[in-house]
Amino acid sequence: AQRVTQPEKLLSVFKGAPVELKCNYSYSGSPELFWYVQYSRQRLQLLLRHISRESIKGFTADLNKGETSFHLKKPFAQEEDSAMYYCALGNYGQNFVFGPGTRLSVLP
Amino acid sequence: DVKVTQSSRYLVKRTGEKVFLECVQDMDHENMFWYRQDPGLGLRLIYFSYDVKMKEKGDIPEGYSVSREKKERFSLILESASTNQTSMYLCASSLNLGGHPRSYEQYFGPGTRLTVT
Repeated sequence: AQRVTQPEKLLSVFKGAPVELKCNYSYSGSPELFWYVQYSRQRLQLLLRHISRESIKGFTADLNKGETSFHLKKPFAQEEDSAMYYCALGNYGQNFVFGPGTRLSVLP
Repeated sequence: DVKVTQSSRYLVKRTGEKVFLECVQDMDHENMFWYRQDPGLGLRLIYFSYDVKMKEKGDIPEGYSVSREKKERFSLILESASTNQTSMYLCASSLNLGGHPRSYEQYFGPGTRLTVT
């Protein structure tokens, strides 16, 4: 069965510090992985997907199949990065599953 | 720009009432989804639809039903609301790019916070 875990419910960092939001998954095939973000009073939206290998708002995420991880990273956190972040997994013909989410708080 | 709208932002209903949550998307997407969002549990899929009049159960369909009579509209129905259905309900839509509809980028509505007393 597919499963996505995000071990931290809440992550607090200071502005300018590096941030890493952890995501691990269990899936036997080749997954498609996504990070979604929900800012305060805004709708949930796609942040990035692993297949695009893109950097959005300074965030990157690398799929590590050996460690079954898709951690989200940013070298210098900004206060506007404070939000709820969800890791999600999907695959052709299979389920699309969201993790429980991590609330990132960037302190001034 | 994809627009997914939900009929209400906040809703308060009594136990036993029948509740309708409406979702409309304007991008001609084939796939539509209903989730509930609870702290510590993330998003859990209730039902999804990949075509008009087609529906499939998600992970937690019990106590819910859906209706999709038109491509742009997907309704979630609580036949007899209960207090454990108090939650944030999110609607989403996506293109069907082939394969299973759940695998692709989803566009979300603003959510409906339902309170059942």
